[in-house]
Amino acid sequence: NAGVMQNPRHLVRRRGQEARLRCSPMKGHSHVYWYRQLPEEGLKFMVYLQKENIIDESGMPKERFSAEFPKEGPSILRIQQVVRGDSAAYFCASSPRTLGYEQYFGPGTRLTVT
Amino acid sequence: AQSVTQLGSHVSVSEGALVLLRCNYSSSVPPYLFWYVQYPNQGLQLLLKYTSAATLVKGINGFEAEFKKSETSFHLTKPSAHMSDAAEYFCAVNKNNNAGNMLTFGGGTRLMVKP
Repeated sequence: NAGVMQNPRHLVRRRGQEARLRCSPMKGHSHVYWYRQLPEEGLKFMVYLQKENIIDESGMPKERFSAEFPKEGPSILRIQQVVRGDSAAYFCASSPRTLGYEQYFGPGTRLTVT
Repeated sequence: AQSVTQLGSHVSVSEGALVLLRCNYSSSVPPYLFWYVQYPNQGLQLLLKYTSAATLVKGINGFEAEFKKSETSFHLTKPSAHMSDAAEYFCAVNKNNNAGNMLTFGGGTRLMVKP
């Protein structure tokens, strides 16, 4: 059973460009979470999605950031008009159901904004 | 609201010595607690989890943690450190309600193992 897949692993964008980060959950997992890890900091929750639904986006900046998890295909985290402060590692996690079950993390996408 | 505090952002031990990484939590409901390990430039790997069964939880790589409700703690221990244990360790608490189980992480503890 393949783990959580994320691509690209490294992404370099100039200020003002768009960044698209992809996450394919583990097989059979219908819950996807995105977290951001700023340099020298812990992980911060951004958004929780189920297929075709955003369940909780309380941790996501109100502007420039959006996420989706379509019926078919990977979950996408989209950052428009990137700024230097968006440089971070973005991790996706998936779980088979909600309460109490551990989340399985992907290897992350390291975004660098120049 | 829930939160996690990891005391000591850096811990250094000698190879073969006891490893003790501290984690205290606050939660308004009985928590689910996790320890994850992160090696450089990699994702997080689950070490162990507490889900209200046994208070002493054994994980992978010889690690274990004890849930102490009276102290609101979930410290991670390993009797004898190995060089390969050098990594960053994160304690996390689960928001235990029907809205989903997003994790709240502590700030992390970087473990260094000296030969």
